[in-house]
Amino acid sequence: EPEVTQTPSHQVTQMGQEVILRCVPISNHLYFYWYRQILGQKVEFLVSFYNNEISEKSEIFDDQFSVERPDGSNFTLKIRSTKLEDSAMYFCASGDYEQYFGPGTRLTVT
Amino acid sequence: AQSVSQHNHHVILSEAASLELGCNYSYGGTVNLFWYVQYPGQHLQLLLKYFSGDPLVKGIKGFEAEFIKSKFSFNLRKPSVQWSDTAEYFCAVTSNFGNEKLTFGTGTRLTIIP
Repeated sequence: EPEVTQTPSHQVTQMGQEVILRCVPISNHLYFYWYRQILGQKVEFLVSFYNNEISEKSEIFDDQFSVERPDGSNFTLKIRSTKLEDSAMYFCASGDYEQYFGPGTRLTVT
Repeated sequence: AQSVSQHNHHVILSEAASLELGCNYSYGGTVNLFWYVQYPGQHLQLLLKYFSGDPLVKGIKGFEAEFIKSKFSFNLRKPSVQWSDTAEYFCAVTSNFGNEKLTFGTGTRLTIIP
């Protein structure tokens, strides 16, 4: 069964550093999403992506965040200058009416 | 704006007990509704979904949910739980246009005691 995959599973970085979180969506899906879950809180929408452009973004998704589909398979989330409050689990999802989630990347900012 | 409320934060049941987890949503238009489950150490998996038609929907692993439009509710049920149902359960909603963001509830942690 096709799956969404994410790498790395855990990323530790220092405050102010740039991180890139990678996702490989399910191959025939056209819509891609990033969500995050801060420990103990709800899963929150960050951004959706279709046809090589952002279709919607939340207020969390400020100028320090960007997304890209650099090739036919990967979908990346970049955080330019990480803050302590960016520590969270980041989930990639793909799909249309149904969204399929990857296993997540745990980002720890120290 | 959409919102989802899950009032049960932590539910503890014995095996074979019946389960009902509450979910209420707030949205001005027509919605699609979902229940996701997250087993310990695993990713979010879709349990079941409602788009239209029969308001009683059946999902995987013996779960079902009923959409009651007048109550803006989509409660999750299972007649007899198992220890392996121990997990976090999330209710979520999108508008019914498709390709829309999911808005999640805060989740309900379910612990099944053998």
